[in-house]
Amino acid sequence: DAGVIQSPRHEVTEMGQEVTLRCKPISGHDYLFWYRQTMMRGLELLIYFNNNVPIDDSGMPEDRFSAKMPNASFSTLKIQPSEPRDSAVYFCASSPDRGREAFFGQGTRLTVV
Amino acid sequence: QQQVKQSPQSLIVQKGGIPIINCAYENTAFDYFPWYQQFPGKGPALLIAIRPDVSEKKEGRFTISFNKSAKQFSLHIMDSQPGDSATYFCAASKMSGANNLFFGTGTRLTVIP
Repeated sequence: DAGVIQSPRHEVTEMGQEVTLRCKPISGHDYLFWYRQTMMRGLELLIYFNNNVPIDDSGMPEDRFSAKMPNASFSTLKIQPSEPRDSAVYFCASSPDRGREAFFGQGTRLTVV
Repeated sequence: QQQVKQSPQSLIVQKGGIPIINCAYENTAFDYFPWYQQFPGKGPALLIAIRPDVSEKKEGRFTISFNKSAKQFSLHIMDSQPGDSATYFCAASKMSGANNLFFGTGTRLTVIP
């Protein structure tokens, strides 16, 4: 398996634009997580899914953020409209079972100018 | 509210030294304590993990010490090498119920040759 695949690796966009980040989890993993990493706040959990169903989205900062998982092999994190303070590295991770190891993708570095 | 507190923020040691990174938690329901290692430009990867039924776990040069009564755990790296230079994150979660990992803020370790 190629691991968790995220795209794009880098995204530079202008304030106010819509941004969509994509994630392909490891096949067979039932859990999918979206994290945001910044120097100031470290790794923050934004939302996680179990069997494609959102379980906890309490970490989503604002209504501008939304996440979907239409099937077991694909998830998106959308920011609309984007703001400079959204600049961060966004990680997707998947896990085969409750309480087991989380496998991270390489991240998407988002810069909003 | 930070569920897991990690210190120090950064650490510089000479090759062969033994860096120690400390973490503390409050939620006594946590029963899984992993450490993740992150190299620049990469996602975090599981390094070693411990359950609270043991006080120590070793894997190669990496050791976790766990103090359940104090709600603290630490990572020791024996005979540290320049290749160990990375950011280290402690984390905590519950093996049952919600599956989100709560991460510490990270420690940037530099091992000088």
